[in-house]
Amino acid sequence: DGGITQSPKYLFRKEGQNVTLSCEQNLNHDAMYWYRQDPGQGLRLIYYSQIVNDFQKGDIAEGYSVSREKKESFPLTVTSAQKNPTAFYLCASSPWTGLTGELFFGEGSRLTVL
Amino acid sequence: AQSVTQLDSHVSVSEGTPVLLRCNYSSSYSPSLFWYVQHPNKGLQLLLKYTSAATLVKGINGFEAEFKKSETSFHLTKPSAHMSDAAEYFCVVSDQGSSNYKLTFGKGTLLTVNP
Repeated sequence: DGGITQSPKYLFRKEGQNVTLSCEQNLNHDAMYWYRQDPGQGLRLIYYSQIVNDFQKGDIAEGYSVSREKKESFPLTVTSAQKNPTAFYLCASSPWTGLTGELFFGEGSRLTVL
Repeated sequence: AQSVTQLDSHVSVSEGTPVLLRCNYSSSYSPSLFWYVQHPNKGLQLLLKYTSAATLVKGINGFEAEFKKSETSFHLTKPSAHMSDAAEYFCVVSDQGSSNYKLTFGKGTLLTVNP
């Protein structure tokens, strides 16, 4: 089935450690996005990518990094510089970045800092 | 600048009764508006969208929403709630002609359906 796969589903991290969240899609979409979700806060855009080897910062990029070496993959690294990393992270894709409003989401990764 | 306000953080209904989830928006230009649903620990799924065609928009699972420019509202309704409708709902706004990375999400309304 076509879709977006995020892993791991749950992740625990000690303070000071970097962690990488995986996002893979087989929808042949050009655009991919990372969002952060906190309780009662909606979704906030971390990074997005419109094409391979190119990506742009979203609204809350500080303390995060991404890469887009392949069309189907868009991993997110949460670095030790992120002051409050405990959150639910959602990866999404769309055929392109033009406005359709329809993003296809993975099931998310829940990161907890111990 | 655009913004969206979901007027209720939590709505509780009984199975078989109507659902109303309220959303007001602010947009400098003609807006595009969307409703998404998120079941627990899952990703979001698009329910319906308004992009300047008919003001009454029908979506999946029997939901619909009406765009009211004079009231700057885009409320989500369903005539009869089902247990499977229990989830969190997000109202989303963007300026028409903008990009998918310009979407602004509301803070969400948690819908509880009681048997």
